[in-house]
Amino acid sequence: NAGVMQNPRHLVRRRGQEARLRCSPVKGHSHVYWYRQLPEEGLKFMVYLQKENIIDESGMPKERFSAEFPKEGPSILRIQQVVRGDSAAYFCASSSDRENTEAFFGQGTRLTVV
Amino acid sequence: GENVEQHPSTLSVQEGDSAVIKCTYSDSASNYFPWYKQELGKRPQLIIDIRSNVGEKKDQRIAVTLNKTAKHFSLHITETQPEDSAVYFCAHNFNKFYFGSGTKLNVKP
Repeated sequence: NAGVMQNPRHLVRRRGQEARLRCSPVKGHSHVYWYRQLPEEGLKFMVYLQKENIIDESGMPKERFSAEFPKEGPSILRIQQVVRGDSAAYFCASSSDRENTEAFFGQGTRLTVV
Repeated sequence: GENVEQHPSTLSVQEGDSAVIKCTYSDSASNYFPWYKQELGKRPQLIIDIRSNVGEKKDQRIAVTLNKTAKHFSLHITETQPEDSAVYFCAHNFNKFYFGSGTKLNVKP
């Protein structure tokens, strides 16, 4: 019974390149959240998705960032034209449709922009 | 974090002492309040949760209390040990998960 799987665990990109972060939720979970975390800081909400729908993207920068959760396959967080300030750990979490249940986190992707 | 305030941001205690972390929230319709522990370099993991139909829940050295009227909930760790050192996040679920800004707990041996 696999938990939330994120890949890659570590990603190095040069400035201007694109970064694609993948998240496979717990089997049967239809809710996915993406969070960004800088060292020694908290979890900053980015986006909340359900299958094929973006529910809340209030934490996503308007430019360069996008997210999707297709009917089939993992959720993808895409960062175009990365800059040094995008370097951070990006965590994905998933939860089920059942009310009042926990969100499970993936191990995170640590993005380094050089 | 959005809609949830967490205090203190850092907490240092001596091994064996108790630690208390408090959170307040604004959405009165929230019914689920989990606490997560994040060790250095690792993912946040659930350690205890409470639902709005109870006021307190205990699991060995960890307890959580909820006051829905005042909209605050607290994490209590008794007989702290060095391995309790980590960052703790409170959260509540109202349409989506809102997380507190985290408390860095340091337990000194």
